[in-house]
Parts: sequence; structure tokens; C-alpha cells
Amino acid sequence: DAKTTQPPSMDCAEGRAANLPCNHSTISGNEYVYWYRQIHSQGPQYIIHGLKNNETNEMASLIITEDRKSSTLILPHATLRDTAVYYCIVRVAYRDDKIIFGKGTRLHILP
Amino acid sequence: GAGVSQSPSNKVTEKGKDVELRCDPISGHTALYWYRQSLGQGLEFLIYFQGNSAPDKSGLPSDRFSAERTGGSVSTLTIQRTQQEDSAVYLCASRSTTDNEQFFGPGTRLTVL
Repeated sequence: DAKTTQPPSMDCAEGRAANLPCNHSTISGNEYVYWYRQIHSQGPQYIIHGLKNNETNEMASLIITEDRKSSTLILPHATLRDTAVYYCIVRVAYRDDKIIFGKGTRLHILP
Repeated sequence: GAGVSQSPSNKVTEKGKDVELRCDPISGHTALYWYRQSLGQGLEFLIYFQGNSAPDKSGLPSDRFSAERTGGSVSTLTIQRTQQEDSAVYLCASRSTTDNEQFFGPGTRLTVL
């Protein structure tokens, strides 16, 4: 079973920051928070991951609460191309094990 | 460099027929995964291969499903005696030993009539 809970859908205006929440209250000490997204008719794409510190890359920022029970993915300036299903996943890094995907959040970017 | 490729991109078959789906992972990636995604559903793990180790088959839904990985590279997912509930997008991913992420292919859309 997926160890994360996400809202099924969200809307965001183009140009605004999209903030996608994720709850992972049963996360273990050695588990990282990963985010992937799946644009329609494509395979999932890795976005970012983190353990306990906030992370930023060219795609997004990841904010993890101090107790690590929840996190937020931030797309700073959403564009129409960011319309996708976003999956929050917890897993041990650098392990060749399967990814357990939940239902994700369907993000609609509104023009 | 080239990403993960899968073929065919679309496959339509009749109930009861066997199908083979192919995955070409990124060169040098030692781990290879198969997932499937049914309409409106999330991604479901099927099987994964890591080097010469025995594959993890724990996600295969029935004994009609099998997969091989020849020479540590190309993989084939075979579904025997297809059923309508097998209709889905079948996704392949690969990963190197030094990366955090799995790289996914575009998928094969299988339709069983």
C-alpha cells in the first residue's frame, strides 16, 4: 500500500505557485520523500526527492516538515505544461526496489 | 543520450491471444522494472530485474504473466491468453546503481478486445 495521502485534484492559475501537499505520517527514519509527475500519455518523470531538509532544483522545491510527517511540492511559476498527475512517494533511496504509487494529485493549470 | 524505449506503442489483440511487449532500457542501467496502469488507476508494480539476481515477481497478477531479461539489457513482458482486464498501459523503467531515480519509457497501450 502507498504510505502517502494526497488530494485527488487541485487547480492553479498559470503563473502562480502551485503548492501540492502530501501526508506521510508513517514515514520511517531511512525513507525519503520522492515526487514524480505523469503528463498525459507519457511515463512518469522524476521531479525531486528529500530526506528532511528542504530541497530545490530547476523544476521545483520540496518543503518537508520538521516531524517529516508531511511535505509540500512547490512549482514556483506554474505553466500549462505543468498540468499532470503528481505522485508523492516514500521509499528508501539508492535501493533497487519497486515504487509503490498511490493515486496522486491531478493538477490543472488554468489559463 | 537515448531514454527508455518500448515497443510497440500500441497493441490491439483479441481475447485469448498471447502478446509480447518489449523494453529497451537505458544503456548501462542494471535495474529494470515493469509497471502497468489501468484506465483511471495508479501505477501497479509487476516485476523487476537487477543484474544477475533472481527477479522480484511479486507484482505479477497471474501465471499468465511472465517476463525475461536477456543479456542484462532488453526485456520482454509476455501475457498469455489475454483477457479484457489486461487492457492497460504497460510501462517499463530502468535505473543505474548510482541514480536515485527510475527513468520511465513512454509505455505500450494494450487493448484486449
